[in-house]
Amino acid sequence: EDKVVQSPLSLVVHEGDTVTLNCSYEVTNFRSLLWYKQEKKAPTFLFMLTSSGIEKKSGRLSSILDKKELFSILNITATQTGDSAVYLCAVEANTGNQFYFGTGTSLTVIP
Amino acid sequence: GAVVSQHPSRVICKSGTSVKIECRSLDFQATTMFWYRQFPKQSLMLMATSNEGSKATYEQGVEKDKFLINHASLTLSTLTVTSAHPEDSSFYICSARMLARQETQYFGPGTRLLVL
Repeated sequence: EDKVVQSPLSLVVHEGDTVTLNCSYEVTNFRSLLWYKQEKKAPTFLFMLTSSGIEKKSGRLSSILDKKELFSILNITATQTGDSAVYLCAVEANTGNQFYFGTGTSLTVIP
Repeated sequence: GAVVSQHPSRVICKSGTSVKIECRSLDFQATTMFWYRQFPKQSLMLMATSNEGSKATYEQGVEKDKFLINHASLTLSTLTVTSAHPEDSSFYICSARMLARQETQYFGPGTRLLVL
């Protein structure tokens, strides 16, 4: 059964802390792994990863994929209250262009 | 764990026809379901929010007469794309939320629609 598992389910940190969010997957015919940030309405796209070992970076956020161990991490450094959100991981499969979403990690950053 | 399915996973139709996409929560009761459309560069746009037994709430810019949403039961919501046109070709994803865990959305695998 194809699945995506995210951990932890929720996290509370103080401003300035660094956090690491985990996403492990078991998906046949892997095509890509995507990270989204969801605050109110639709998830906002952050990164798409297709190759192992290549870090994607955007400001204080970075992500890397390990296709051998079947996981990805999302790092946020120097967290701010505006980083509070649910972070979703999704894996796209080649067959039928299907997506498998995790249930997300709820991050709360307190001042 | 909570599972959401979508049917069909892929559909090709002629311009002018209507297409119905089903979203089902398989092992829980979904009090709220959401419909999203994927745009280029992987972005997702919320189209509408539906609560069981009531009319869907559409986001600004989404035509309610074109994208008919029905949430007839606690386990099923349908999205009907009426008089589909090639520009409606996209990837449609639903998600569901249960009453007991309001903070979590469970996403379906998506439906690829191609209108010729």
